[in-house]
Amino acid sequence: QKEVEQDPGPLSVPEGAIVSLNCTYSNSAFQYFMWYRQYSRKGPELLMYTYSSGNKEDGRFTAQVDKSSKYISLFIRDSQPSDSATYLCAMGGAGGTSYGKLTFGQGTILTVHP
Amino acid sequence: KAGVTQTPRYLIKTRGQQVTLSCSPISGHRSVSWYQQTPGQGLQFLFEYFSETQRNKGNFPGRFSGRQFSNSRSEMNVSTLELGDSALYLCASSLGMASGRVYEQYFGPGTRLTVT
Repeated sequence: QKEVEQDPGPLSVPEGAIVSLNCTYSNSAFQYFMWYRQYSRKGPELLMYTYSSGNKEDGRFTAQVDKSSKYISLFIRDSQPSDSATYLCAMGGAGGTSYGKLTFGQGTILTVHP
Repeated sequence: KAGVTQTPRYLIKTRGQQVTLSCSPISGHRSVSWYQQTPGQGLQFLFEYFSETQRNKGNFPGRFSGRQFSNSRSEMNVSTLELGDSALYLCASSLGMASGRVYEQYFGPGTRLTVT
């Protein structure tokens, strides 16, 4: 079993829809959580960073972390065609000096069609 | 502020050869992490350097090595290349950790290595 599970999709939604992306994890020592967006043939771009359970909002993006359920989510409101990309969840902080190591989900491919 | 830069962007090598990839972190960042991305395995952690010291190493063979210089620039080296080493190699930089807070990692555009 992978430490981080993410539904690879693909996910196809109409423009303006609310998108929900999710990851589950098994290592309860993970302390911080990130969402990255990766366009084809580009490096991942940091979207959201959270350090505790709860919600964090930034523009059209909301990140949720539920440490008790080992579950994180990213919501995208009013989705746009420019949001079409692969979304990666990542987490780290699994004790000791492992703070610089991120463990990634497989990524969800999202397409927003006009 | 300039982002993370990686050179070269594309590389084609032959099996058995060795390769060196370079990463320049964001100014002021002292932590540099390296990742390998493939369609089958996704993004996998290779190693992390902070202030010229390797702090973490992923589950990769000894053919993969790295180093960091005093100006925080980092290089990774792969010796005796295998076909399976074909991948996008990504470098990420961060301020590291301070006062109990772990800072975000910002990625470069990657180096696409093809081994033939």
